[in-house]
This record gives sequence, structure tokens and C-alpha cells, in this order.
Amino acid sequence: ETGVTQTPRHLVMGMTNKKSLKCEQHLGHNAMYWYKQSAKKPLELMFVYNFKEQTENNSVPSRFSPECPNSSHLFLHLHTLQPEDSALYLCASSQVMIGQGAGEQYFGPGTRLTVT
Amino acid sequence: DQQVKQNSPSLSVQEGRISILNCDYTNSMFDYFLWYKKYPAEGPTFLISISSIKDKNEDGRFTVFLNKSAKHLSLHIVPSQPGDSAVYFCAASEGGGGADGLTFGKGTHLIIQP
Repeated sequence: ETGVTQTPRHLVMGMTNKKSLKCEQHLGHNAMYWYKQSAKKPLELMFVYNFKEQTENNSVPSRFSPECPNSSHLFLHLHTLQPEDSALYLCASSQVMIGQGAGEQYFGPGTRLTVT
Repeated sequence: DQQVKQNSPSLSVQEGRISILNCDYTNSMFDYFLWYKKYPAEGPTFLISISSIKDKNEDGRFTVFLNKSAKHLSLHIVPSQPGDSAVYFCAASEGGGGADGLTFGKGTHLIIQP
């Protein structure tokens, strides 16, 4: 596997279900991100992890719970979601250089989530 | 309020001609700008970036221009090819020495006509 992979690619879940999205990066990067893309809206940042530590939570509801066990893996745990949470969820990674900030972010293919 | 704006939802250009995609931003703290290309059912692919200390960056057929005083950047693709047909996103970050999320525009759908 190369680049950034995400599983599953498609997910349909009911509002009472609990599911998890998985992201894995094979680029040796030290920062990982979750983004959400809803219909007719720009990509919106959800969470940032830098060296496995969460450094940003962009006012995301608690029904979304991220987990970063190591610098290569990132999860997004979902529970009691609403139909308006249906969207494309994208994971990205980047290499943060000390004093320079994050460089380019490389994205996975996304998980298309439908909440019924 | 959108901090990164791409005011043209779509753009149609003939093959071989120049494609110019525009982007405006409002946050004066942004100091790093990127362009991404996205095909259906795929994640965005990084194309080219520019730091605020520069006003131009070139990579093959792709050139990005930055006008800080106007808070405007543009992506030039020349010559345009059929494979360039995709949605192009402009993105920006505030830098600052750590991992920073990107702020994206809504995208411009570029269509290259044969």
C-alpha cells in the first residue's frame, strides 16, 4: 500500500449505530487530519493530530470521536449520528518541519458516509 | 464567513489554451497557499503551493501567482490537456510552525474541451 488509505470506502449506518472510520498513511508523516465535505460546501477541517497529540478540534460535536494510536493510524469513531452528518470524510497527512509548519497535505480517497 | 473564495463554480477551456483559475482570501494571517485537483471518487491531489514570501511558483505546466496586496492567487495551466478536467480547490493555512489545518474554497470545475 502506498500513500494514504481509508476504509471503508462507503458506509451506511443508522442513527443508533456505532461505527469507526480508519485511515492509514504510508508516507512517514508526523501529522494527520480529518476533514468533512458536505454537499455544496468546501472541505471543513475537523481534527488535527501532530505527533499523535490532538492539537485542534474545530468545534466538532462529541458524536465524532477521533483516535490516533500512532503516527501512521487515525480513526474516527461515530455514534448516534444525525442524517445531516452524511458526507464524504477525508483523511490527510503531512510532514511538519520544525519552524516551518506543515507542508503539503496528502489525502486519502475518503469514506462516503450515509446516515439513515 | 468564507475565508477562501473561488467565485467561478465552473470554467470551460479549449484544449491547448491557457486555463486560469482564481482564488481570493480574506484572512491576512494566511501565509501558505496550495492548489489541489480532485477527480470524482478520489481524494484531492496536491498540485502546487506557494509561500507568502514569493509571488510566483512554477512546476511544469502549472504556475501559481500570488498578489498579497489584493489577497488574490491564481493557477495557470498551459497548455491545457483533456486530463486536466477536474475540480480544482484553492487552500490556505496560517503556518506558524506546527501542524495546521487547511481552509479550502468551494472549488472550480474545469472542463477542457477537445
